This record gives sequence, structure tokens and C-alpha cells, in this order.
Amino acid sequence: AQSVTQLGSHVSVSEGALVLLRCNYSSSVPPYLFWYVQYPNQGLQLLLKYTTGATLVKGINGFEAEFKKSETSFHLTKPSAHMSDAAEYFCAVRGGTGGYQKVTFGTGTKLQVIP
Amino acid sequence: GAVVSQHPSRVICKSGTSVKIECRSLDFQATTMFWYRQFPKQSLMLMATSNEGSKATYEQGVEKDKFLINHASLTLSTLTVTSAHPEDSSFYICSAPGQGDQPQHFGDGTRLSIL
Repeated sequence: AQSVTQLGSHVSVSEGALVLLRCNYSSSVPPYLFWYVQYPNQGLQLLLKYTTGATLVKGINGFEAEFKKSETSFHLTKPSAHMSDAAEYFCAVRGGTGGYQKVTFGTGTKLQVIP
Repeated sequence: GAVVSQHPSRVICKSGTSVKIECRSLDFQATTMFWYRQFPKQSLMLMATSNEGSKATYEQGVEKDKFLINHASLTLSTLTVTSAHPEDSSFYICSAPGQGDQPQHFGDGTRLSIL
């Protein structure tokens, strides 16, 4: 069994400020973790992923996330927010290897960037 | 990289109409496709998994006769919403598993509006 909890359905930050989107997971096997971004009426775009190895992963558009096993967390950060970062962000977990494994998504966090 | 093409992007039709959504894997073969449904301001919920050459696997609570899935070839999966009603209005997204440890590849989604 696996699940994802995203704390905060809405997050507002000022342009240039730090972005922090929280994600906690549970998984009965070593997890594969993902962050996706979704713009209105569009599909999901992969920001970054953690499978194995280095726990700090860097993604596109300046985002990064750190896998912390002891805290079962995979928070998404970006040092300086841009207006173009305004979107919905989903954390997701997959139970281990194999692309055919089901993916469970969090409920999403809508990021608002204030000029 | 691998791309999934979903068509149409938007459908508006009258109640009682059946609507077909296509999902194609471009430049790669997908023996499995995932179909998700996303209600406004909510996360993606897996509806079913289509399998080329065999019956689709539906998640609990999803009506098989309502949401017909056909995986006609290694590059095409279709979802038909039969006799659609306003409560079927939603955003439908398909995805194909990635190879090995790679994440899923998502289509751009279909916005279905039933009047």
C-alpha cells in the first residue's frame, strides 16, 4: 500500500521568494517519488524524480527536492519564485521498480506567485 | 523523448452522447496505458489500466459498462464514455508507463463537458 499527503492545498509566495511545497509519503516498499506540474487544462509535466542514489535531486526550471527516508518526506523547493511558476503541483509515489506499477498522486498544491 | 498524444483536447456535447477519447504512444510501443480522471481542484484518480490484447483492469467503483476501454494496438488505447451525463464532465488524462525506472508519460488531457 502507498499514499501521499501534500500539506497545504494553496501556497502563496512573493516573486523572488523561496518556494517550499511539502510532501509526505508512505510505502511498504522502497518508493520512487515524483513531482509533477500541471498548468490549466493541460496534462502533467515531470519536474523531477527520485529512484535510488543521491537523495537531493534537481529538476527542471530550478526546482529540487530532497528524499528524507527518516521523515518519509520529499519536499519540493525553489530558491526564487517566478511568475511562470504559478501552477498546480502534484507529488506522486510509485512502489518500487517497474514502470507498470501504479502511481498514487497527492491532492495537489496550487502555487500562487504574487508580483 | 517519448510522447503520448491524446485527442481530442476538448469535447462539448449533449447528454446521452457517447464520446471517444484516443491515446496514442508516439515512437514507442505501450502494452499498457493508464486512464485517469481529474475533478476540478482535485487530484488524479486512476480509473483503469488498459492492456493490449486483453481486458482492461478497472479500479473499484468505476463502471465498466460506462467507461469502455479498448487497447486496439501497441500504440493506441481508447476510452469511450457511453451515454454521457453532466456528472461525467471532467478532465480525463491517459498515460503510458516509462521503460524500466522511468516515470509515466502523460497525454495533455481531454476536457469533457456534458450539457
